[in-house]
Amino acid sequence: NAGVMQNPRHLVRRRGQEARLRCSPMKGHSHVYWYRQLPEEGLKFMVYLQKENIIDESGMPKERFSAEFPKEGPSILRIQQVVRGDSAAYFCASSLTGGISGYTFGSGTRLTVV
Amino acid sequence: AQKVTQAQTEISVVEKEDVTLDCVYETRDTTYYLFWYKQPPSGELVFLIRRNSFDEQNEISGRYSWNFQKSTSSFNFTITASQVVDSAVYFCALTLNNAGNMLTFGGGTRLMVKP
Repeated sequence: NAGVMQNPRHLVRRRGQEARLRCSPMKGHSHVYWYRQLPEEGLKFMVYLQKENIIDESGMPKERFSAEFPKEGPSILRIQQVVRGDSAAYFCASSLTGGISGYTFGSGTRLTVV
Repeated sequence: AQKVTQAQTEISVVEKEDVTLDCVYETRDTTYYLFWYKQPPSGELVFLIRRNSFDEQNEISGRYSWNFQKSTSSFNFTITASQVVDSAVYFCALTLNNAGNMLTFGGGTRLMVKP
């Protein structure tokens, strides 16, 4: 019974490149959340998605960041033209119904922008 | 809006000492959930406990115990007889009881247990 799978675990990008982070929710979960953890800080909510829909993106930076959760395949968090300040750990969580039931975090992707 | 405050940014203890990590939260809702997570040096988030706002019973799990007090809006975490393996960053978090539950995290407390 695989948990929430995030890949890659570590990602290095040069300034100006694009970063794509993937999250496969737990089997049967159709609700996905993305969080960002800047160095030495707590996690901050970014976006909440259901299959094919963005439900709440109130925590997403206005530019360069986008997220999707297609009907088939993993959820993708995309960061265009990365800058050094994007260096952080990005965590994905999934839940069964959008509520607390089964709320589970992945192991995170650590993005380093050089 | 919700807020979680972990006033202790860093705590250092010697092995076998007891240590309490404080968590104070703010919300206007009467139904909510509180969490504690452990983040070891490897970086993943390890779920420790979830408590709903209607259950004020204290909980004990091995060397871990939690004290939930609605009167002071606190959900403190105590490690008894600390061990070096307890060294990690600990996060307290809050979410409301509605769909689309996002967690609001505190800033974390870094616990260092020295041998």
